Amino acid sequence: QQPVQSPQAVILREGEDAVINCSSSKALYSVHWYRQKHGEAPVFLMILLKGGEQKGHEKISASFNEKKQQSSLYLTASQLSYSGTYFCGSFSDYKLSFGAGTTVTVRA
Amino acid sequence: NAGVMQNPRHLVRRRGQEARLRCSPMKGHSHVYWYRQLPEEGLKFMVYLQKENIIDESGMPKERFSAEFPKEGPSILRIQQVVRGDSAAYFCASSPQPIDRVQADTQYFGPGTRLTVL
Repeated sequence: QQPVQSPQAVILREGEDAVINCSSSKALYSVHWYRQKHGEAPVFLMILLKGGEQKGHEKISASFNEKKQQSSLYLTASQLSYSGTYFCGSFSDYKLSFGAGTTVTVRA
Repeated sequence: NAGVMQNPRHLVRRRGQEARLRCSPMKGHSHVYWYRQLPEEGLKFMVYLQKENIIDESGMPKERFSAEFPKEGPSILRIQQVVRGDSAAYFCASSPQPIDRVQADTQYFGPGTRLTVL
């Protein structure tokens, strides 16, 4: 069963902050975050593992609450390049199930 | 270090024809995943393969779709007798290996093949 993301869409001005939430009715063992720009491939942002280990490549942070089966992605001081659709993925049984996505639009 | 490669990037087929989509994983990656993305929708898992083995094909339609990852060469997603509903973007991802059933390493996505069925 795919995780649920909220909100569906958010519009920001440059420099503003936003939070994207991801929750699952099934146990979350690891959460993967990707960003996809229109017409392009999803790009890896962050992976959060049980026990608190995080692996990421950009200045975007995330949290993972195993008990609540939730993860949140924090976009801080947003830049125009943050625009895109953000997907969270929950990994179980060797495969990723993705949420429906959150579309972020950052305006100058 | 080349990333995940997919070809063709765009494929147009008429109803009833066959579509073959190719994916070459990143160097050193032996695990390949195929996903389908319908317009304005999220990514749906289709199949997970290792070299010469299909590990999980629970997301594949039962008919007309097949996938392989031979010992030599790219992974192939094959769609026989395409219909208009098959029009979508098909993404391939690769990873070094899953750590176990629940802890995964990063999956890297290719640029996708956009299939249009006329």
